[in-house]
Amino acid sequence: AQSVAQPEDQVNVAEGNPLTVKCTYSVSGNPYLFWYVQYPNRGLQFLLKYITGDNLVKGSYGFEAEFNKSQTSFHLKKPSALVSDSALYFCAVRGPHTNAGKSTFGDGTTLTVKP
Amino acid sequence: KAGVTQTPRYLIKTRGQQVTLSCSPISGHRSVSWYQQTPGQGLQFLFEYFSETQRNKGNFPGRFSGRQFSNSRSEMNVSTLELGDSALYLCASHRGQEDTEAFFGQGTRLTVV
Repeated sequence: AQSVAQPEDQVNVAEGNPLTVKCTYSVSGNPYLFWYVQYPNRGLQFLLKYITGDNLVKGSYGFEAEFNKSQTSFHLKKPSALVSDSALYFCAVRGPHTNAGKSTFGDGTTLTVKP
Repeated sequence: KAGVTQTPRYLIKTRGQQVTLSCSPISGHRSVSWYQQTPGQGLQFLFEYFSETQRNKGNFPGRFSGRQFSNSRSEMNVSTLELGDSALYLCASHRGQEDTEAFFGQGTRLTVV
């Protein structure tokens, strides 16, 4: 079985400050990890993924995420937040022998960046 | 390259009716997944199709069904609608390999009254 936890429903940061959105996972074997962002009344957009290799992954819009195997975490980060980053963020996990279409998503974290 | 297209975008149905939602994946993508998104339950996996075959099914009642056509387009059907079926239904397409990300459509907002 695979599962994802996003422990914070809401994250508030001031524009220009660094942001972190937390994600922990549970899966058998090496995980495939993903971050997606959702704007109001829209579908999810892919931000970045970790499959293998370097633990620090860089993605779209200046976001990055760090894979930590010992802590089973994959936190999303950005050095300097923008008001336009305000959105709903989802972490997703898939096991190595799970079909591409069957990812497990966290409950989402609402990020609010205030001017 | 066109993205994932879901139709209709919005739908209002009466309890007891049935509904069919459509999804056209990105050209060349053979895998299509469906998710239900509600404020209380988050994103719940419904089912996944690959080359016209259902590969996985989530924990939903038999009222929820789907299919995929030879051109990879997919439909999902919900029969005997209940108020609790009101949700945003999202379709995602994949190239099919395990390590690939999903490309989502904008969703169909279903309201059951």
